[in-house]
Amino acid sequence: AQSVAQPEDQVNVAEGNPLTVKCTYSVSGNPYLFWYVQYPNRGLQFLLKYITGDNLVKGSYGFEAEFNKSQTSFHLKKPSALVSDSALYFCAVRESGYSSASKIIFGSGTRLSIRP
Amino acid sequence: SQTIHQWPATLVQPVGSPLSLECTVEGTSNPNLYWYRQAAGRGLQLLFYSIGIDQISSEVPQNLSASRPQDRQFILSSKKLLLSDSGFYLCAWAARNRGQDQPQHFGDGTRLSIL
Repeated sequence: AQSVAQPEDQVNVAEGNPLTVKCTYSVSGNPYLFWYVQYPNRGLQFLLKYITGDNLVKGSYGFEAEFNKSQTSFHLKKPSALVSDSALYFCAVRESGYSSASKIIFGSGTRLSIRP
Repeated sequence: SQTIHQWPATLVQPVGSPLSLECTVEGTSNPNLYWYRQAAGRGLQLLFYSIGIDQISSEVPQNLSASRPQDRQFILSSKKLLLSDSGFYLCAWAARNRGQDQPQHFGDGTRLSIL
């Protein structure tokens, strides 16, 4: 069965420093991976996705994610953190197998806190 | 462009009262629609999904039901609310028949408190 794991409940970074939010996945077949961000009392916003091709995927707000097949990881990164990046981040994987339902399985979330 | 609307934004209801939360999508046709519940600002639990009008699948047995009377309208209901129904309810849509890589797009949610 497919799953994603976000091993860190909380990540704290100083403004201007690089940030990494970790995600590992388990799928059968080709992985379709996503990152979302959630600000307080808001819905999830789509940041980026990996389908195939380049292992470095660029997304919104200067974020990027590195796909590593051998380590089954899809870590979210940003070269220079902003205080406004503070939010809850979710990694997600598309459910395997063809289905018209397009269900996505979400990780438990990582709270990113950027200190000024 | 596509937009998704959820209302109300917040709701306080007594135990045993009925519930109706509505979600509508604009700018797309024949979307997949989803209802999630998020507890304590953490993980998402998929409650229901729909691939078409009157086609509803339930992911977990519970006190809630869903309906899709129109292509871009998705309703979450309950006849009698329980304290355990409190939470943040999110509606989402995804494009159908455009490949397996389609992301889901979320509304801003309804925060439901049961007293």
